[in-house]
Amino acid sequence: AQSVTQLGSHVSVSEGALVLLRCNYSSSVPPYLFWYVQYPNQGLQLLLKYTSAATLVKGINGFEAEFKKSETSFHLTKPSAHMSDAAEYFCAVSALIYNQGGKLIFGQGTELSVKP
Amino acid sequence: GAVVSQHPSWVICKSGTSVKIECRSLDFQATTMFWYRQFPKQSLMLMATSNEGSKATYEQGVEKDKFLINHASLTLSTLTVTSAHPEDSSFYICSAREGGQSNQPQHFGDGTRLSIL
Repeated sequence: AQSVTQLGSHVSVSEGALVLLRCNYSSSVPPYLFWYVQYPNQGLQLLLKYTSAATLVKGINGFEAEFKKSETSFHLTKPSAHMSDAAEYFCAVSALIYNQGGKLIFGQGTELSVKP
Repeated sequence: GAVVSQHPSWVICKSGTSVKIECRSLDFQATTMFWYRQFPKQSLMLMATSNEGSKATYEQGVEKDKFLINHASLTLSTLTVTSAHPEDSSFYICSAREGGQSNQPQHFGDGTRLSIL
């Protein structure tokens, strides 16, 4: 079975500071991993995805994530936080189980707050 | 690209009525669509997976007769909440995937806030 754990339900940073949101996965096969962002009362927007190509993945809005197989991690980072980055962030792994339709398994989410 | 439109964005209705929510992929053909439910301050809970032209696959614990899903075309899926009651009030979100491969991302609609009085 595959699973995702996001460490820290809430992260607070100052504007201009480094953003680090943690995600660890469990998978018996090479995973496909995604980061999504959700603003209040909206759906999810894809930030970036890892699909077994380059281990350092660059996404939109200056975010990037590094796939580390040895640590089973896929942490999301951004060098300098902006007020507009305040949102809920979800890490997800795509189920590779036969007949599961490639459904996403989400972490519990991390709420990012950015202080001025 | 990869835009998913969900309608309505907000609906309030009386207990006992049925509510239909539409999910459309605007610029791609969605082989697979997914329906989620989200409670406040929680993650997304997958309700069902639908493939165009076939019956939806429901997750354990989701009532098939309560939440009717139709995926009649490659650009449209609908979720009908039948005989809605206050406990069905929630935020419902759909997503669509262009192909059948697990490495392809899901693209999400903006959600529907359902309030049952």
